[in-house]
Amino acid sequence: DAGVTQSPTHLIKTRGQQVTLRCSPKSGHDTVSWYQQALGQGPQFIFQYYEEEERQRGNFPDRFSGHQFPNYSSELNVNALLLGDSALYLCASSPVRGGEKLFFGSGTQLSVL
Amino acid sequence: SQQGEEDPQALSIQEGENATMNCSYKTSINNLQWYRQNSGRGLVHLILIRSNEREKHSGRLRVTLDTSKKSSSLLITASRAADTASYFCATVSSGNTGKLIFGQGTTLQVKP
Repeated sequence: DAGVTQSPTHLIKTRGQQVTLRCSPKSGHDTVSWYQQALGQGPQFIFQYYEEEERQRGNFPDRFSGHQFPNYSSELNVNALLLGDSALYLCASSPVRGGEKLFFGSGTQLSVL
Repeated sequence: SQQGEEDPQALSIQEGENATMNCSYKTSINNLQWYRQNSGRGLVHLILIRSNEREKHSGRLRVTLDTSKKSSSLLITASRAADTASYFCATVSSGNTGKLIFGQGTTLQVKP
């Protein structure tokens, strides 16, 4: 049983570019959340997707957008990249929306130069 | 913004010793969870304690929760070198289930 998978593992972009990160949830899970973790900090909630809709959103600008597909996989898109967007982006899945334990992928390390 | 603060920020102990990490938070919670992260990669869920529980055990882990003080502690007994990692508490607010708010973490080093 595969866990949460994320791709790519590492990514280098330049300021102003756009990036798409991908996530496949653990088998049997239908809810996907995205977190941003800056170096030395705890993860910060970006948004959560359930039934192909954004259900909750953290304090992130509209440059951050997402999508969930019918097979429950998800994408995180970031437009007009800033240097401050450099971080580890973590995807987490859960079988329910209600705040029980999350299963995390290994993350995508994004560097913006 | 971060919900909680963790103390200490860093902890270094010898194998076999116990490690205690503390977490404080600000709002009413539905539950509090602890996660471990190795080398800046994915987080692994360790234990969940609900707001109506005061103590919970899982193997060598013991978690306490004091809702009156808005604080929790994680005790790892008989530590091993493999316990070296960063540990994060995360809360689920009473009025906003579905998202976890993480603290800044405690980095634990267990020396063999």
